Amino acid sequence: DIQMIQSPSSLSASVGDRVTITCRASQSISVWLAWYQQKPGKAPKLLIYKASSLEGGVPSRFSGSGSETEFTLTISSLQPEDFATYYCQQYKSLWVTFGGGTKVEIK
Amino acid sequence: QVQLVQSGAELKKPGASVRVSCKASGFTLSSYSFSWVRQASGQGLEWMGWVTPNSGKTGYAQQFQGRVTLTANTSTNTAYMDVRGLTSEDTAMYYCLRPGGYWGQGTPVIVSS
Repeated sequence: DIQMIQSPSSLSASVGDRVTITCRASQSISVWLAWYQQKPGKAPKLLIYKASSLEGGVPSRFSGSGSETEFTLTISSLQPEDFATYYCQQYKSLWVTFGGGTKVEIK
Repeated sequence: QVQLVQSGAELKKPGASVRVSCKASGFTLSSYSFSWVRQASGQGLEWMGWVTPNSGKTGYAQQFQGRVTLTANTSTNTAYMDVRGLTSEDTAMYYCLRPGGYWGQGTPVIVSS
């Protein structure tokens, strides 16, 4: 199984801050990585697919980068509605796996 | 538009079984593979397995092998997840999802005596 290690597990930031979340795969997954945002009581929402492609309707302050085993989600200027938990997901095969999540909290 | 609508909340006793359904609309079920994911309260996302409706082929995460069965009915455009031998540790929100980032709304399953 491909393991996804996400860091940090939580962070505190202020509105306007630049935030970076990292995901590391235990083996190469090329660019088959997605990033999701989840708010309490809601299903996850797709932000980024194929490592760096922005899902339609997602603000441009969200961006993704990386390939093979190292990936990054960046929020260029944190907004109040961005406080949530973020997950990476590899989908190199049908056996998908998720990172452990990063909770972004208000500082 | 693409929608995945799951069945309602379930309250089960330990040792019982549960079936959760996921009805697709806006696309043909047989065109995609489906995954199921669960999330215990305050915890992360745990992938359970996949089903390919066209062929009926399935794959399961090791911890669910033998206790979870995933199926799909292409005539009704509905996917199903069956879990046997429920314990309190199975209390969670269960989601179906389709490639492209489409998720069902979630089905809470509570296991309590």
